[in-house]
Amino acid sequence: SQQGEEDPQALSIQEGENATMNCSYKTSINNLQWYRQNSGRGLVHLILIRSNEREKHSGRLRVTLDTSKKSSSLLITASRAADTASYFCATARTGTASKLTFGTGTRLQVTL
Amino acid sequence: DTAVSQTPKYLVTQMGNDKSIKCEQNLGHDTMYWYKQDSKKFLKIMFSYNNKELIINETVPNRFSPKSPDKAHLNLHINSLELGDSAVYFCASSHGLFIMDGYTFGSGTRLTVV
Repeated sequence: SQQGEEDPQALSIQEGENATMNCSYKTSINNLQWYRQNSGRGLVHLILIRSNEREKHSGRLRVTLDTSKKSSSLLITASRAADTASYFCATARTGTASKLTFGTGTRLQVTL
Repeated sequence: DTAVSQTPKYLVTQMGNDKSIKCEQNLGHDTMYWYKQDSKKFLKIMFSYNNKELIINETVPNRFSPKSPDKAHLNLHINSLELGDSAVYFCASSHGLFIMDGYTFGSGTRLTVV
């Protein structure tokens, strides 16, 4: 069954605002990753956070992980029109080789 | 230089036909994958290979047969195509068997069965 559920399904904001997406999962994980998918393109890896980490930053991205609640959030600060894309969380489960399980995705629209 | 390349990008074919999708990576990764993305954007793993060896076969109909001639290539052959096979198929690769870093994805093959 599907590992990750993302919330909201769709998000529309104006350029310059912050965007927050949430991901919940069901089982113990080794790490959680976030990917971006532009329309008609492949997925691009954004950031990975390990199960023993609580927060990670990369440029305008901030990811948090709460393993007790089995949830993660992705914050994009000072959003740009170019951030318009679908964002997916993906989990690597503890003890499972070679299987990254993706969430349902959040469609982010950033308008000028 | 494209890291993970898939061909073709688009594939339109009739029901019952057999088709292949090719994937090559030049990253030196040991592990490669096929994922299927349906019309609702849900991504599901189909297969993974590590150094040419099948690791995961995720309850995919046996009409789908992956082949990895070497660790840089993972092809997908589909027999007797059905309408429900219409989707975008993504190839991906990663360093090793246990997922300690991100995947690199190809740009996808949009398969339409008519």
